[in-house]
Amino acid sequence: ETGVTQSPTHLIKTRGQQVTLRCSSQSGHNTVSWYQQALGQGPQFIFQYYREEENGRGNFPPRFSGLQFPNYSSELNVNALELDDSALYLCASNPLLRGSGNTIYFGEGSWLTVV
Amino acid sequence: GENVEQHPSTLSVQEGDSAVIKCTYSDSASNYFPWYKQELGKRPQLIIDIRSNVGEKKDQRIAVTLNKTAKHFSLHITETQPEDSAVYFCLMMDSSYKLIFGSGTRLLVRP
Repeated sequence: ETGVTQSPTHLIKTRGQQVTLRCSSQSGHNTVSWYQQALGQGPQFIFQYYREEENGRGNFPPRFSGLQFPNYSSELNVNALELDDSALYLCASNPLLRGSGNTIYFGEGSWLTVV
Repeated sequence: GENVEQHPSTLSVQEGDSAVIKCTYSDSASNYFPWYKQELGKRPQLIIDIRSNVGEKKDQRIAVTLNKTAKHFSLHITETQPEDSAVYFCLMMDSSYKLIFGSGTRLLVRP
């Protein structure tokens, strides 16, 4: 048990729609990051939030956006869904930004299918 | 940008044999190197990690070695068992505190 929970676990959306995925971290974990993992691939970094501000972003278009809240929860929003957005979305949290040794905890992930 | 190269992409070993997976990184400022195991359909799980101030760390059948000069680190699994079959990822945290995953190694342990 990592203390990181994600919802929903599975969902199906239609191309062009919008989706919001949620993540709840352990108390005190002020850094959260999101990853996209396509089938058979390694996780790809989307972005990272520290104390409610984005402080790192991978190679994803602006239609991928996020929020982090004071209660250590966060959201990943994807607009104008495309078929290639179908993937497992993972949320990870750790206690400190300067995680030089702090364990990163992953949630179970949200499986998104775009049809 | 910074990246991590992981080899091999697939590895098949006989039960009881050893398995070694190697990762090479580019960011010399990196100082934390975890290894995660991901079983099919599940989240990545931390199996071992190493910090830059040590060269080797061992936990039962699993060990990790780090060569900061050469910028590579390796995962060693001894006495492999069928339940070790999974995808293994090396990670590093780059200078902007972003986690970079290796491409993964699919390990198959044959009974």
